Amino acid sequence: SQELEQSPQSLIVQEGKNLTINCTSSKTLYGLYWYKQKYGEGLIFLMMLQKGGEEKSHEKITAKLDEKKQQSSLHITASQPSHAGIYLCGADLNNAGNMLTFGGGTRLMVKP
Amino acid sequence: KAGVTQTPRYLIKTRGQQVTLSCSPISGHRSVSWYQQTPGQGLQFLFEYFSETQRNKGNFPGRFSGRQFSNSRSEMNVSTLELGDSALYLCASSEYGTANNSPLHFGNGTRLTVT
Repeated sequence: SQELEQSPQSLIVQEGKNLTINCTSSKTLYGLYWYKQKYGEGLIFLMMLQKGGEEKSHEKITAKLDEKKQQSSLHITASQPSHAGIYLCGADLNNAGNMLTFGGGTRLMVKP
Repeated sequence: KAGVTQTPRYLIKTRGQQVTLSCSPISGHRSVSWYQQTPGQGLQFLFEYFSETQRNKGNFPGRFSGRQFSNSRSEMNVSTLELGDSALYLCASSEYGTANNSPLHFGNGTRLTVT
């Protein structure tokens, strides 16, 4: 099994609906990062979570880190077509700096 | 500030050839990392350089190598190309590294196709 599991693998929501993506680690998290990727392009940095219980928001996207559960969630409120893409969580599982392990990604489609 | 710039954007090579990919980090960023992305394996860490020194290396064969120059620009080289090396190669830069709370910022990648 993967060290960093994302769920769901894909998601189709109606515009205006809320949604949550989860990222669960089998190892201790030393830092958790959320990125968004359009197909075939680079990753766009969304948020970085470093401490247990930390919660960050940017526009309609909120990310939380539960250190005890070794889990993070990404919540989008009132989804829009511009939110469509692949969401990836990345984590430092070795406390080794830039050697991030990534989850398999969640493909989000937002129907207008 | 300009973002991370990777060249070329697309590349087609034949099995057995070698290839060099280039990455210019965000101005002021001293750490450059390389990742390989494939549909089957997802995003996998290749290596990371900081101030011209390799700090971390992923689980890839020795055919994959890299270097960083004094201006922080980086190159990665793949020798004796195999069909399985076809992938999107992504470069990322950060000021100091994720251990120091500076996130990675990615370029748009180089799509390598090996025929």
